[in-house]
Amino acid sequence: DAGVIQSPRHEVTEMGQEVTLRCKPISGHDYLFWYRQTMMRGLELLIYFNNNVPIDDSGMPEDRFSAKMPNASFSTLKIQPSEPRDSAVYFCASRTGTEAFFGQGTRLTVV
Amino acid sequence: AQKITQTQPGMFVQEKEAVTLDCTYDTSDPSYGLFWYKQPSSGEMIFLIYQGSYDQQNATEGRYSLNFQKARKSANLVISASQLGDSAMYFCAMREEETSGSRLTFGEGTQLTVNP
Repeated sequence: DAGVIQSPRHEVTEMGQEVTLRCKPISGHDYLFWYRQTMMRGLELLIYFNNNVPIDDSGMPEDRFSAKMPNASFSTLKIQPSEPRDSAVYFCASRTGTEAFFGQGTRLTVV
Repeated sequence: AQKITQTQPGMFVQEKEAVTLDCTYDTSDPSYGLFWYKQPSSGEMIFLIYQGSYDQQNATEGRYSLNFQKARKSANLVISASQLGDSAMYFCAMREEETSGSRLTFGEGTQLTVNP
């Protein structure tokens, strides 16, 4: 199995632009998570899905952030409009059993 | 209150020696899981080891073992025979089955440096 696949690996965008991060979970995994990592706040959960249904989105910072999971093999995290404080590494993770497996992350820089 | 506390921002160890990375947790949930992840400089998060709150034995995975002391609410990671490739950031995390569902809460991490 290829593991959790995220794209792009790096994204540099200008403030105000829309950014879409993509994730393909491990096949057969029924949970999908979006985390954000910053120096100031560490690793924090943004949202997670179970069987494609959003279960807990309490970590989503504000209305500028949205996440979808149209099917079991694909999820997106969208930021519109982006701001410099959104600069971070965004991780997608999936699991079916005990441990969650993380993707390589997307390093987002908003200038 | 912090759910996961890692009190060592940085640790140094000589190659081939053992090292213990500290982790304490706070929960009133009777059912929880404790995890350790490794994040090398390349940035990916690598799962290392898991301990369930009801597990009687300490978890072990190769050179990694988890020193689980439930009464003290600690879940320290022990790495035996350190290797240069063990140099990385290490995160302790907890999943509270009843109160937080599937959410993983992470500590701030410990940067481990293995010296040759």
